Amino acid sequence: TQLLEQSPQFLSIQEGENLTVYCNSSSVFSSLQWYRQEPGEGPVLLVTVVTGGEVKKLKRLTFQFGDARKDSSLHITAAQPGDTGLYLCAGSKSWGKLQFGAGTQVVVTP
Amino acid sequence: DTGVSQNPRHKITKRGQNVTFRCDPISEHNRLYWYRQTLGQGPEFLTYFQNEAQLEKSRLLSDRFSAERPKGSFSTLEIQRTEQGDSAMYLCASSLDQQETQYFGPGTRLLVL
Repeated sequence: TQLLEQSPQFLSIQEGENLTVYCNSSSVFSSLQWYRQEPGEGPVLLVTVVTGGEVKKLKRLTFQFGDARKDSSLHITAAQPGDTGLYLCAGSKSWGKLQFGAGTQVVVTP
Repeated sequence: DTGVSQNPRHKITKRGQNVTFRCDPISEHNRLYWYRQTLGQGPEFLTYFQNEAQLEKSRLLSDRFSAERPKGSFSTLEIQRTEQGDSAMYLCASSLDQQETQYFGPGTRLLVL
């Protein structure tokens, strides 16, 4: 059972469309990370958020950490085929180990 | 490239055999983590080291699993008497002391026949 629930599990969109991925938990985290993973590879860090209500932007990606530090969202504007991948959120409760969600598989078709 | 490296990248073994994986963290990182990822799931924490000390082990880490980091640099994860249920991607990550951002290696994919 994953402590962090991600939704949706799968998302298929056309190039140029927007999408949002959600990460929810009943637990409070000191920080939350978003990773993207390609098949057969390890997760690659996209962003770390640590402050409740924090919003970070990385080009076309916008990340938000909930005020209560229990949930987060990832929004992609004008998605491109290169955005295809498994998006994972992971929370940390300050002693280091990460607790991951099951991931959202995003497919962006040209 | 000074990222986290793992070897081998792929391992196929027969049930009952022992296997060992190696992880080389980013050179200045004191913390090293092992995770396991099965198909359709996110990574699950196995264990972590601060320097050479193993500070926490998950209940997922049965007595057939052992991890070491003898000199506080590279780490090894050994699985004895492998079972088909051990088939998974084994991921290593490292981080600096006092920071929580973990950087992952490419993983070792294990298939137990």
